[in-house]
Amino acid sequence: AQSVSQHNHHVILSEAASLELGCNYSYGGTVNLFWYVQYPGQHLQLLLKYFSGDPLVKGIKGFEAEFIKSKFSFNLRKPSVQWSDTAEYFCAVNLGTGNQFYFGTGTSLTVIP
Amino acid sequence: KAGVTQTPRYLIKTRGQQVTLSCSPISGHRSVSWYQQTPGQGLQFLFEYFSETQRNKGNFPGRFSGRQFSNSRSEMNVSTLELGDSALYLCASSTSRGDIAGYTFGSGTRLTVV
Repeated sequence: AQSVSQHNHHVILSEAASLELGCNYSYGGTVNLFWYVQYPGQHLQLLLKYFSGDPLVKGIKGFEAEFIKSKFSFNLRKPSVQWSDTAEYFCAVNLGTGNQFYFGTGTSLTVIP
Repeated sequence: KAGVTQTPRYLIKTRGQQVTLSCSPISGHRSVSWYQQTPGQGLQFLFEYFSETQRNKGNFPGRFSGRQFSNSRSEMNVSTLELGDSALYLCASSTSRGDIAGYTFGSGTRLTVV
């Protein structure tokens, strides 16, 4: 079945550690890729997006993601996390037809000061 | 500008009852989509409305329905509630069906079915 997979359900890091969250999808054809973040008690916010062009995309708050088409992956990275990055992170795919998004089940990140 | 507004924020209902949730999109946004968020399943697409017409529907039973009004406000209804319907229901709006970059989420309605 077509899906979006996030391999890490819970990640705990110390401040200043590097972060990489995995995301793989199984949809063929054109895909638009997104990472959203949900801070505790807040609404989902867009971190970054990829439509086309440079496969390395930079988002807000120092986050970046790399699209690797051959691996159907769109991993999220940050060189040095902060306590304020504690949140849940969702990878999402849009197939370019309409506004339906397919989300991964999310990764809960806890950053220890 | 005001964001996507969902009301009520919290709701407790009994099994078998029905419930109506409301979503007011950002001014000028005409596309509204609904999602169900649960710990085990993550976010799952319910339906999308544009110009008062349902444009797309996810894999949910017919107990889940929605509509959109001429001012783009949308409601979703769940009839004959089941315990498994307990979830955070999120609404997202954008200017048009192709404006996925401008997709903005509301804070959600937390529904608890007891």
